[in-house]
Amino acid sequence: AQTVTQSQPEMSVQEAETVTLSCTYDTSESDYYLFWYKQPPSRQMILVIRQEAYKQQNATENRFSVNFQKAAKSFSLKISDSQLGDAAMYFCALTGNQFYFGTGTSLTVIP
Amino acid sequence: GAVVSQHPSWVICKSGTSVKIECRSLDFQATTMFWYRQFPKQSLMLMATSNEGSKATYEQGVEKDKFLINHASLTLSTLTVTSAHPEDSSFYICSARTGKRSTIYFGEGSWLTVV
Repeated sequence: AQTVTQSQPEMSVQEAETVTLSCTYDTSESDYYLFWYKQPPSRQMILVIRQEAYKQQNATENRFSVNFQKAAKSFSLKISDSQLGDAAMYFCALTGNQFYFGTGTSLTVIP
Repeated sequence: GAVVSQHPSWVICKSGTSVKIECRSLDFQATTMFWYRQFPKQSLMLMATSNEGSKATYEQGVEKDKFLINHASLTLSTLTVTSAHPEDSSFYICSARTGKRSTIYFGEGSWLTVV
């Protein structure tokens, strides 16, 4: 079975500051991938960043980076230099044979 | 990037009728498609995993006779909500991938309202 847990239902950050969103997971598969998706009010799912479990190096994508701790089954997302457009629901996701999402974190960016 | 098109975006149907939602991969072959349901302010709940040419694998608690999923080709999967009831009203969204290691792309989602 696979589970994805996001323990922070809501987070807020000042514009231009840094925020970290937490995610833990559990899976019995050895070949899996982790994602962070962003869902704005339009409901369109937008891929933020992807991490292959077999890679030790943490993925980065411009202002977005992850801290992947495989042994601890932790996959947090760091957003640097936060912008107003970053405000959205953020979902952590795990894929192997299936594709499961965490409960989401609502991020507010304060001007 | 790859595009997944979902249709219709909005649909209203009468209670007791059936409604079909289509999910198409426009520029890639989707060996696997996933169907989700999302309630307001909640996460995406995986309903079923659909592999081309085979029967869908439904998650526990999802009625397979009510939510019929067909994945007859590498570019099209359909979700049919049969004998719809007001409690089936929700946002339904599909996603698709070419293989287990590939990026997953999402459709735009479909709002279903049953009156």
